[in-house]
Amino acid sequence: DQQVKQNSPSLSVQEGRISILNCDYTNSMFDYFLWYKKYPAEGPTFLISISSIKDKNEDGRFTVFLNKSAKHLSLHIVPSQPGDSAVYFCAASGMSNTGKLIFGQGTTLQVKP
Amino acid sequence: DVKVTQSSRYLVKRTGEKVFLECVQDMDHENMFWYRQDPGLGLRLIYFSYDVKMKEKGDIPEGYSVSREKKERFSLILESASTNQTSMYLCASSLSTVNYGYTFGSGTRLTVV
Repeated sequence: DQQVKQNSPSLSVQEGRISILNCDYTNSMFDYFLWYKKYPAEGPTFLISISSIKDKNEDGRFTVFLNKSAKHLSLHIVPSQPGDSAVYFCAASGMSNTGKLIFGQGTTLQVKP
Repeated sequence: DVKVTQSSRYLVKRTGEKVFLECVQDMDHENMFWYRQDPGLGLRLIYFSYDVKMKEKGDIPEGYSVSREKKERFSLILESASTNQTSMYLCASSLSTVNYGYTFGSGTRLTVV
């Protein structure tokens, strides 16, 4: 049972435009959400996170939005740059899963120059 | 800077071999994890450990075992490698609260022939 889902395997965006990556979850006990970025042949690196007590968190060009009623979060990248081309994973955790992170399937973002 | 080091970037092993994947962290983290990454399936948890000599099964433990004799080292063992274990293996560590996220190693690309 996939508790964290990224339904779009890939996304292509023009440089300078907005990239929006989506993530849905099913477990209402999740209370912390993170986004990771992964380049080929490298490990994932932490990008941005949000607690369930917030609905928005911003860090430079990256903003994460959380809609708890819809069990949905999204990552906005503005403006998108070619160096943002990577696989993006969303992840969730909560008291019910003893601190483990549950990851989505990943979305491959391509930013075209 | 926090570091998680995986001993090999690329490995090629034969079916039936016993394979050891080593992971070392220098951050005094309590938690360590082994994931595998496969296209379309995201990151799936194999095993994790919250303390020395302690281990718990993740979502896909079959065909794997682990060892944590020291706090900084977490080893993944493929008892008898099979072709369906060809994958990217990622080690991660974290503090006791996952809200700080994981730090990942660079990964080991294992090919079983």
